[in-house]
This record gives sequence, C-alpha cells and structure tokens, in this order.
Amino acid sequence: DGGITQSPKYLFRKEGQNVTLSCEQNLNHDAMYWYRQDPGQGLRLIYYSQIVNDFQKGDIAEGYSVSREKKESFPLTVTSAQKNPTAFYLCASSYLRDRVNQPQHFGDGTRLSIL
Amino acid sequence: AQTVTQSQPEMSVQEAETVTLSCTYDTSESDYYLFWYKQPPSRQMILVIRQEAYKQQNATENRFSVNFQKAAKSFSLKISDSQLGDAAMYFCAYRSEGTGNQFYFGTGTSLTVIP
Repeated sequence: DGGITQSPKYLFRKEGQNVTLSCEQNLNHDAMYWYRQDPGQGLRLIYYSQIVNDFQKGDIAEGYSVSREKKESFPLTVTSAQKNPTAFYLCASSYLRDRVNQPQHFGDGTRLSIL
Repeated sequence: AQTVTQSQPEMSVQEAETVTLSCTYDTSESDYYLFWYKQPPSRQMILVIRQEAYKQQNATENRFSVNFQKAAKSFSLKISDSQLGDAAMYFCAYRSEGTGNQFYFGTGTSLTVIP
C-alpha cells in the first residue's frame, strides 16, 4: 500500500544537538511538507518542497533545515538554533497543480522531546 | 496568505446526536478546494470529506456531510449519529490554484462525544 513513513516515532534531543527526522513517501507525489504541532494547537508550516533540489520556507523555518535529494524523501533537521523544539512533527505530501483537488496525505508523526 | 477560521475551539455532543462544526475562509478566488481532516488521540491526520467550490451540491460521506455556502465563504461539517470514535480534533483546510501547493489550515475544533 502507498503511504508516508515517518521515523522515528519518538526522538529525544540533548542541548546543542542537531537531530534529523525522516520522511519517505511512495505515493509518487511531487510536493512534500513539514508541519509542527504544539499541544492543543493547529498545524504550522515549517518547509515545503515542490520538486527535487528545491524547497521553500514556511511560517516557522528558523532553526530548521531540509533537503530534497530524491522525490521520495524529505528529511527535516532540527538544529541547535531551534530553542524550543519539543513538539509533534507531521510530514505530508500531495500532487501538484494539475491535481489541486487532491488532499494532502500525512505520516503518523514524530514526537520530539528535549532531554 | 489565505485565512481559515474555526471559531469553536471545543465542542461536545451526546452520543447518537448531531453536531455541526463551523469553518469560514477568506479568499478572492472562485475556484478552490476545501477539506475536513480528523485527528484522533493517535495524532494521525485522516481525511474526512472534501468539497470542490465549483460544485453546488454539498459533499456527503456516510454520517459526515458539509454545508457549503460559497457566497458566505462558509464550510461547516455536520456529523450525524455521533459515535464515541468521532471524538477528535477536526481541522478545516483550503487549497486553490492560486495558493500553489500550500494548504491553509484552521486552528482546529476539539470534539468530545458524551456517552
């Protein structure tokens, strides 16, 4: 079955450490996204990518970095510059403009906590 | 950026009763797409229902239906015969050709189902 796989499910970060969250999709979607969700809050866009080797900042990109070397993969690195990284992170993907009526598909999320 | 507003942070419904969750949006476009997502305690994002703005007929999916009022820019979700499994956070989302590949989400409504 096609879908989005996020790993790990739980991740702990020490002070001053960079950590990378994995996101892989086999839906043949061109666009991929990273969202941050704080307790009881909505989704805030961190980064998104429409095509390999290209990505755009979302509303809260500071302290995060991404890469898109393959269509299927869009890893997110939470750097030490992100002072409040504790949150739930969701990866999503979708078709591009020719199929705008299609929804986003989501992974199961990664919960990041600070030690 | 588009604005999607969910004015009810929390709602409750008695089991087997009907509840309506509201969503309004701000846009100058005539062609766009609207979605309702459900996020249960497992934190998975599940597509509930979608509506194309060019369609006058309201979308329905089993116990879930929408009341789409294009002129009022309103997209409410009606859940009939509420079940305990309907308890979740519900998010309204907007997408259009003009927004490219971005989806705009509301802040969510937390639904409690009372047995």
